[in-house]
Amino acid sequence: SQTIHQWPATLVQPVGSPLSLECTVEGTSNPNLYWYRQAAGRGLQLLFYSVGIGQISSEVPQNLSASRPQDRQFILSSKKLLLSDSGFYLCAWSVRLAGGPTVTDTQYFGPGTRLTVL
Amino acid sequence: AQKITQTQPGMFVQEKEAVTLDCTYDTSDQSYGLFWYKQPSSGEMIFLIYQGSYDEQNATEGRYSLNFQKARKSANLVISASQLGDSAMYFCAMREGFTGNQFYFGTGTSLTVIP
Repeated sequence: SQTIHQWPATLVQPVGSPLSLECTVEGTSNPNLYWYRQAAGRGLQLLFYSVGIGQISSEVPQNLSASRPQDRQFILSSKKLLLSDSGFYLCAWSVRLAGGPTVTDTQYFGPGTRLTVL
Repeated sequence: AQKITQTQPGMFVQEKEAVTLDCTYDTSDQSYGLFWYKQPSSGEMIFLIYQGSYDEQNATEGRYSLNFQKARKSANLVISASQLGDSAMYFCAMREGFTGNQFYFGTGTSLTVIP
């Protein structure tokens, strides 16, 4: 069965410090990968998605970046954190089909990382 | 315009009773998918149920069913025989046609099951 891991689970960082959050998926190959942010009491905002190694699409311009160095590894980074970067970061995966994304592609989420920027 | 609207910020239900969580959506695509996720206090998003726009029957998964009314563009989640463990945030989401990997999420409904 497929599992998705995220670490760290919680993180407290000062403003201006760098950030690196990691997400890995097991039990599947060539997944689509996603990074979401959830502000307190709000819905999910898609930040980045990737359909393959080195292929990153950004949905929202910001001071965050993403990379996919390996097929099942997705990294969220920042060179300098802002207070507004605080939130709950969720990684998700979905099956990548040869014909591209379809409406049936369910996304499965990891346990999340709670980031507090002080 | 909001793609997904959940108008109930908070709901309460008595244990063993049924509850309906509302979701309306906005799309001009003919092909789309609707999803419900549960987020307990631990934070993990748990997939519950899926309904495709061309599915003629309402989706069901155990105690979860989706009341799909295409003309009204609504996809309400019905939880039967509520349990204390059902207390959580519930999010409705939509994926449109073949426009890419965008999932649109609603703002969620907080459900509290009362013993």
